[in-house]
Amino acid sequence: NAGVTQTPKFRILKIGQSMTLQCAQDMNHNYMYWYRQDPGMGLKLIYYSVGAGITDKGEVPNGYNVSRSTTEDFPLRLELAAPSQTSVYFCASSYSRAESPLHFGNGTRLTVT
Amino acid sequence: EDKVVQSPLSLVVHEGDTVTLNCSYEVTNFRSLLWYKQEKKAPTFLFMLTSSGIEKKSGRLSSILDKKELFSILNITATQTGDSAVYLCAVGHSGGGADGLTFGKGTHLIIQP
Repeated sequence: NAGVTQTPKFRILKIGQSMTLQCAQDMNHNYMYWYRQDPGMGLKLIYYSVGAGITDKGEVPNGYNVSRSTTEDFPLRLELAAPSQTSVYFCASSYSRAESPLHFGNGTRLTVT
Repeated sequence: EDKVVQSPLSLVVHEGDTVTLNCSYEVTNFRSLLWYKQEKKAPTFLFMLTSSGIEKKSGRLSSILDKKELFSILNITATQTGDSAVYLCAVGHSGGGADGLTFGKGTHLIIQP
């Protein structure tokens, strides 16, 4: 019963490096999301997807890219890491956007120095 | 602009006390209100409310929604140290042809032994 699986759990990047955060879900959910969480600031939506091949920007998309080639996978790409991207990143999935609970992955703690 | 406000932002009580956490909202076309508990890792789902006046209950936790006054409360009775967490409120809504989900900043609850 895996649910939402995120990798890696931790990562330290140098400024200007790039990386991909992986996210996979096995619940056949159409909706997938990437959030970032900074201390005291709640969850901010980076990107979301309503199904394979369809992605859309959230509140804070700058500096990130996503793709959704399959229902299961929703990777998040950081191209040129900046200190402002130091955060905890959560991937989530749901059956619908406005009327069903989100299932979260365990998060990736990213530090950019 | 869709808005979800939680209060208080932080709360420290003693074990055995009862606490009430608040969530008020202003959104276009309300669809649902969800409560999550977040300890060290990912938020975990507690309740989803869609109808006014119907209490949802799970053990010592209960929640109710008032769609006329646009708020919800989460009650925890006989608190235990394991209840220490950030409690997040999120509101599902629709408007402009798209569904949305807006999170509050959370209430950081600390239960002292």
